Amino acid sequence: EIVLTQSPGTLSLFPGERATLSCKASQAVSTTYLAWYQQRLGQPPRLLIYGASRRATGIPDRFSGSGSGTDFTLTISRLDPEDSAVYYCQRCGSSSCTFGQGTKLEIK
Amino acid sequence: EVQLVESGGDLVQPGGSLRLSCAASGFTFGSFEMTWVRQAPGKGLEWVSYIGQSESITNHADSVRGRFTIYRDNADKSMFLVMNSLTVEDTAVYYCARWSRNALDVWGQGTTVTVAS
Repeated sequence: EIVLTQSPGTLSLFPGERATLSCKASQAVSTTYLAWYQQRLGQPPRLLIYGASRRATGIPDRFSGSGSGTDFTLTISRLDPEDSAVYYCQRCGSSSCTFGQGTKLEIK
Repeated sequence: EVQLVESGGDLVQPGGSLRLSCAASGFTFGSFEMTWVRQAPGKGLEWVSYIGQSESITNHADSVRGRFTIYRDNADKSMFLVMNSLTVEDTAVYYCARWSRNALDVWGQGTTVTVAS
């Protein structure tokens, strides 16, 4: 079973800054299967990135995904207060999914 | 509008059973794989169950295998999760989600299951 480990656990930044969130897999993951989600407080998750780097419909270009093998990154540029949320990476494939434990992003 | 609406969450005693429903609208339900994901209070997301476009392929997380059953009715655009032998560890918000391009692109608002005596 693939384990996804996200870091840092919590990130606290100012509006306008850039956030870099990491997701490390316990074994190589095809980029096809790697996605990122945003979950604001009290809301269901929202798909941001699929296929490691493809933005989902309606997602602003401030959000970008990159990486391959075991190391993946979600970058959020020009942070906005509405970006305050927990972010999860996920690997879905072969009829099952695995989530990372999440990174909490706080906007000061 | 593409939408998923869960229902059926309730307070149930340990050892009890519950059936959750997920009603889909705004898309061709039978063309998509579907899943259930849960979130315990204050915790992260946990994948629970998967069903293919027909009912020929299903899969469950180890934590629920043998106790939960997933099925769907494509004619009625609905998906279901039957949960038996519930324990306090099953307490969570349960989300249904649409599987597309190896990601979950549409989510419902969730339904709350509380297992307590």
